[in-house]
Amino acid sequence: DAGVTQSPTHLIKTRGQQVTLRCSPISGHKSVSWYQQVLGQGPQFIFQYYEKEERGRGNFPDRFSARQFPNYSSELNVNALLLGDSALYLCASSLGPRGEAFFGQGTRLTVV
Amino acid sequence: KQEVTQIPAALSVPEGENLVLNCSFTDSAIYNLQWFRQDPGKGLTSLLLIQSSQREQTSGRLNASLDKSSGRSTLYIAASQPGDSATYLCAFPNAGGTSYGKLTFGQGTILTVHP
Repeated sequence: DAGVTQSPTHLIKTRGQQVTLRCSPISGHKSVSWYQQVLGQGPQFIFQYYEKEERGRGNFPDRFSARQFPNYSSELNVNALLLGDSALYLCASSLGPRGEAFFGQGTRLTVV
Repeated sequence: KQEVTQIPAALSVPEGENLVLNCSFTDSAIYNLQWFRQDPGKGLTSLLLIQSSQREQTSGRLNASLDKSSGRSTLYIAASQPGDSATYLCAFPNAGGTSYGKLTFGQGTILTVHP
């Protein structure tokens, strides 16, 4: 059975550009969350979606947005990229909002 | 607001040693606790989940305990192996309110097991 899959695995973008990251949850999981992890720190919460509705948002600017599709997959969009957006972006899925979380391998975003 | 501290920040041990990683939290009204391992540049792998009503969970050479009264969880690794080298993170979802699925992570313990 496939785990959480994220695409792409690596991405290089220029300041000011826009990026879309994708996540497919484990089959049957209805909750998807996004986290940003910079080097040497624990992951920081960006968004949670459950049953296609936003259920939580972390302390990130409005340049960050996300959505969840009817098949429970999700996209994270970041506009007007800054150098400080360079990080590992992680997606997690769970059966419910506070169920055991399973993470994908992440997308490494580098902004130059 | 839940604050999570992991001690030590880094640990280097010879192969075969038993070791304990610590995770302290400030709000005892927790729903559950998860321990994860992360290899460099990779995603997180779930190791153990302890529900609020449980005291411990075991999986192979790993044992995690939870003491809400003291605000502590420990991850015990028996007979450590070089393949256990990784960063270990503990995390809690919000107990209630908004963003109640949000996981709050500690900074992690970097474990190195040398042959």
